[in-house]
Amino acid sequence: NAGVTQTPKFQVLKTGQSMTLQCAQDMNHEYMSWYRQDPGMGLRLIHYSVGAGITDQGEVPNGYNVSRSTTEDFPLRLLSAAPSQTSVYFCASTAGRRSGYTFGSGTRLTVV
Amino acid sequence: AQTVTQSQPEMSVQEAETVTLSCTYDTSESDYYLFWYKQPPSRQMILVIRQEAYKQQNATENRFSVNFQKAAKSFSLKISDSQLGDAAMYFCAYRILTQGGSEKLVFGKGTKLTVNP
Repeated sequence: NAGVTQTPKFQVLKTGQSMTLQCAQDMNHEYMSWYRQDPGMGLRLIHYSVGAGITDQGEVPNGYNVSRSTTEDFPLRLLSAAPSQTSVYFCASTAGRRSGYTFGSGTRLTVV
Repeated sequence: AQTVTQSQPEMSVQEAETVTLSCTYDTSESDYYLFWYKQPPSRQMILVIRQEAYKQQNATENRFSVNFQKAAKSFSLKISDSQLGDAAMYFCAYRILTQGGSEKLVFGKGTKLTVNP
């Protein structure tokens, strides 16, 4: 049981480049979400999805796009990377309110 | 706004001793969940313990226990018999419902725990 798988683990981008952070879960969880972690800020919600075809914005959505075509996958897209998007990104999923969240291992992204 | 406050950016404890990490939160809901997550240098987010607000009994998981005071909106984590492997960032988190029936975790800024041999 792989849980939540994130790829890549590390990435360096140049300003203006685009890329997609991948997230996949094999637990049939309806709810998936993306967080970014910055020093001294804790984790902040970027986007979330309550099921295939449904997405919504979190606390810090600007500069990021998401889609949810299947229950398993929830990719996060950076259309034009900026240095302010240098961060560690976590994907998380849960089966519901009475269940815990399962986190991926994170992606460390550096934008130069 | 829903907030979670961890007032101790850093804490240290001697191996085998007990340490308490503090957390307060702000909510108007009566049904919610609180969590403590551990993040070691490996970066992985690990669930340590969770507490349902409707349960009066404090949650316990081996050496980890919480002091949940609902009226005071306080949720502290006690680590007994501290071990070197307990050294990590600890995040308090609160699970809330958003408009539209979805939910999210709101995190505190974390407490860095150092365990001294």
